Amino acid sequence: AQTVTQSQPEMSVQEAETVTLSCTYDTSESNYYLFWYKQPPSRQMILVIRQEAYKQQNATENRFSVNFQKAAKSFSLKISDSQLGDTAMYFCAFMKGNYNNNDMRFGAGTRLTVKP
Amino acid sequence: DGGITQSPKYLFRKEGQNVTLSCEQNLNHDAMYWYRQDPGQGLRLIYYSQIVNDFQKGDIAEGYSVSREKKESFPLTVTSAQKNPTAFYLCASSIFSASGTRGYTQYFGPGTRLTVL
Repeated sequence: AQTVTQSQPEMSVQEAETVTLSCTYDTSESNYYLFWYKQPPSRQMILVIRQEAYKQQNATENRFSVNFQKAAKSFSLKISDSQLGDTAMYFCAFMKGNYNNNDMRFGAGTRLTVKP
Repeated sequence: DGGITQSPKYLFRKEGQNVTLSCEQNLNHDAMYWYRQDPGQGLRLIYYSQIVNDFQKGDIAEGYSVSREKKESFPLTVTSAQKNPTAFYLCASSIFSASGTRGYTQYFGPGTRLTVL
């Protein structure tokens, strides 16, 4: 079974600084997808970034970027120029790229606080 | 506006009652999902459906039931057999393929908070 581990339950960062959230996963699959989701106090899950395992290039979305290390099974999220609105729970998620299995596995989350 | 709606936002259940949580999407997505989130934890899959009239159990299906009579709708019933139903419930949907930049990506509704009295 696939597992996703987020080893940092809580983190904080000063506004305008950069922070990196860690995520590791365990799988024997070669084709899969990785995601970071943000859950602000409203509790709505919002997609931050998506990475396809077969792509070597790291995904980026504005101030958000990932460091995808396939051999190490690591998928960290970097937030640059942190803003107060980035305060949220962040969940790393894994999904097999398999037509017959659309099961997404989530980590336990990292609570990020951006301080003014 | 395309999106996923869940209702109600808050739901209170008495012991022994069945309650149904609504989930509707107008994104024309094939697949729909139900997750449960407990305080301080990640999401756990209850049920998912890849096509109309078909669905599969997730990790914690006991005490829950679903139906998928229409592509747009995937209601979840929390039965009296669910021993500890107090939680936050999230519905999601996705394109059921790897196509494009959004393939397999799940998009979530705003959630329903269920409390047992």
